[in-house]
Amino acid sequence: NAGVTQTPKFQVLKTGQSMTLQCAQDMNHNSMYWYRQDPGMGLRLIYYSASEGTTDKGEVPNGYNVSRLNKREFSLRLESAAPSQTSVYFCASSPRTSGNNEQFFGPGTRLTVL
Amino acid sequence: DAKTTQPTSMDCAEGRAANLPCNHSTISGNEYVYWYRQIHSQGPQYIIHGLKNNETNEMASLIITEDRKSSTLILPHATLRDTAVYYCIVRVPNAGKSTFGDGTTLTVKP
Repeated sequence: NAGVTQTPKFQVLKTGQSMTLQCAQDMNHNSMYWYRQDPGMGLRLIYYSASEGTTDKGEVPNGYNVSRLNKREFSLRLESAAPSQTSVYFCASSPRTSGNNEQFFGPGTRLTVL
Repeated sequence: DAKTTQPTSMDCAEGRAANLPCNHSTISGNEYVYWYRQIHSQGPQYIIHGLKNNETNEMASLIITEDRKSSTLILPHATLRDTAVYYCIVRVPNAGKSTFGDGTTLTVKP
């Protein structure tokens, strides 16, 4: 099992450009999440998908859109990138069953917006 | 999700036990305590979780006070590779979202 995979690993954008960050998991998990982590800070939740077909806003959703394409894939789109969106983006998944909801994280996408 | 409070940083000598505290005084009855760690710039890694009983696994032990308002993560024999940021989170297991704070930066020194 590959676990949670993210593409790309690194990306540099110019202000105003758009891009989509891809995330996929092969653990048959129900829930998926997108976080951002700014230098020296903790993780902040952008959007999450509790189950296939549903998405909800987290703490910092402005400037982002998401798509839960199927149970495996959850993408994050920046329509018009801004320098404030320079960050490391982590995708995670969890089984979301009663009693345990351990999250498994991908390796991250390092995004720089110039 | 209940808010948690952790010290910003801690040091520990290699080979000694590392005890990382977490306050969660507003925890609800159905919320669990989860611990994760993040080594360097990698994605966070799950360590352990518990509801009200103490828990132990191959990585660590979790001690939760009787009133559940605080907990301690114990790494019994810290190594240099345990240097990381440790996050304490409280949440309902099948809730959608999860909130990470700023965590505790643990530095294990030779």
